[in-house]
Amino acid sequence: DAKTTQPPSMDCAEGRAANLPCNHSTISGNEYVYWYRQIHSQGPQYIIHGLKNNETNEMASLIITEDRKSSTLILPHATLRDTAVYYCIVRTNFGNEKLTFGTGTRLTIIP
Amino acid sequence: NAGVMQNPRHLVRRRGQEARLRCSPMKGHSHVYWYRQLPEEGLKFMVYLQKENIIDESGMPKERFSAEFPKEGPSILRIQQVVRGDSAAYFCASSQGSESPLHFGNGTRLTVT
Repeated sequence: DAKTTQPPSMDCAEGRAANLPCNHSTISGNEYVYWYRQIHSQGPQYIIHGLKNNETNEMASLIITEDRKSSTLILPHATLRDTAVYYCIVRTNFGNEKLTFGTGTRLTIIP
Repeated sequence: NAGVMQNPRHLVRRRGQEARLRCSPMKGHSHVYWYRQLPEEGLKFMVYLQKENIIDESGMPKERFSAEFPKEGPSILRIQQVVRGDSAAYFCASSQGSESPLHFGNGTRLTVT
C-alpha cells in the first residue's frame, strides 16, 4: 500500500509555478520523500528526494513541512513538456527497500 | 552516460510462447528492479536483484515468471507460456545501492496475441 495521498489531477498554466502537494502523515523518521514523474509511455523519471530539509536541483524544489507529514514539489516555470503523472513516494534509504508507486497526480500544463 | 537500456522495446508473442526481456543497468549500478504496468494501471513492483542474487521477489507471480542478474551480462526477466493477461509494459530500474535513487529504462511493451 502506498503511504502517500495526492490529488488525482491538477492543471497549471504554462510559465507559472506548478505546486504539487503530497500527504504522508505516517512517515517514519528514517523514510525519505521521493518524487518521480512518468510522461506518457516512458519510464518513470527521478526528480528529487529529501529527508527533512528543503531540496532544490535543476528540475524542481522539494519543500517538506517541519513535522514531515506533508511536502510540496515545485516546478518553478512549467512548460508543456512537464505534463505527466507525478508520484510522491516514501522510502527508507537502507536495506532492500523498493519504491511503491501509488496513483499519483496527473498534471496538465495549459498553453 | 547511457541510461538504463531495455530491449526489445516492443515484443509480440503468441499465447504459450516464451518472452525474454533484457535490462542493462547504468554503468556502476549493481542493483536491478523490475516493475510491471498493466494498461491504464499503476506501476507494480515485481522483483529486486543484486548481482547473482534475488533479494526480494514478493511481487513476482509464483508460476511462469523468473528473473536473473548474472555476474556478467544484462538482467533477464523470463515469462514462460505467456497468456493474454501478461500483456503490459515491463520497466527495469537500476541503482548504485539501497541509498541511491532508482533510474528507470523506457520499458518493454509485451503484447500477447
